[in-house]
Amino acid sequence: GENVEQHPSTLSVQEGDSAVIKCTYSDSASNYFPWYKQELGKGPQLIIDIRSNVGEKKDQRIAVTLNKTAKHFSLHITETQPEDSAVYFCAASWGTGFQKLVFGTGTRLLVSP
Amino acid sequence: NAGVTQTPKFRVLKTGQSMTLLCAQDMNHEYMYWYRQDPGMGLRLIHYSVGEGTTAKGEVPDGYNVSRLKKQNFLLGLESAAPSQTSVYFCASLLDSTDTQYFGPGTRLTVL
Repeated sequence: GENVEQHPSTLSVQEGDSAVIKCTYSDSASNYFPWYKQELGKGPQLIIDIRSNVGEKKDQRIAVTLNKTAKHFSLHITETQPEDSAVYFCAASWGTGFQKLVFGTGTRLLVSP
Repeated sequence: NAGVTQTPKFRVLKTGQSMTLLCAQDMNHEYMYWYRQDPGMGLRLIHYSVGEGTTAKGEVPDGYNVSRLKKQNFLLGLESAAPSQTSVYFCASLLDSTDTQYFGPGTRLTVL
């Protein structure tokens, strides 16, 4: 089955710096890759996603890149702000008609003022 | 539109006790999921449902049962709780494969 590895497990940056979180997946059939942000005491919330027919997607300060050949995808956050501090999870899913996500182990991002 | 709600928010059980966690969604979503979240392990799928009256096993189903008698509700049951089931449980729902999963706020369960 699918296996998703996520690095780093913790990431500390200064406000205004960029942050990059990387994930690799094992199943070449995976075709959907969402990123979730989880704040303390809350459920995960989607921040951006990408499908296998696209190489890059941007939404303001957040971008995701996908390399299908190498089977990895990355989350890029530019101009980080203290409110970006949270745990970020990547996930992968395959197939059509149904979505079964396999999650990475999470990255705790701390943005210091 | 409340989205995905979970009841209760917190619960403490003794080993061997039973309980049911309730997940409700008001978005008319077809698919619903139960996950557990443990430190350093991300979210793992317990059971899921592809429609009213259907359920299926996920990655870690042992010790849990589920039911989906109504489209908007997905129940997770623990018949005989064990300390290994101490975790945070999240429910999610999904409209279709072109959409994304929407998560509830979670239930923190402690089994003593």
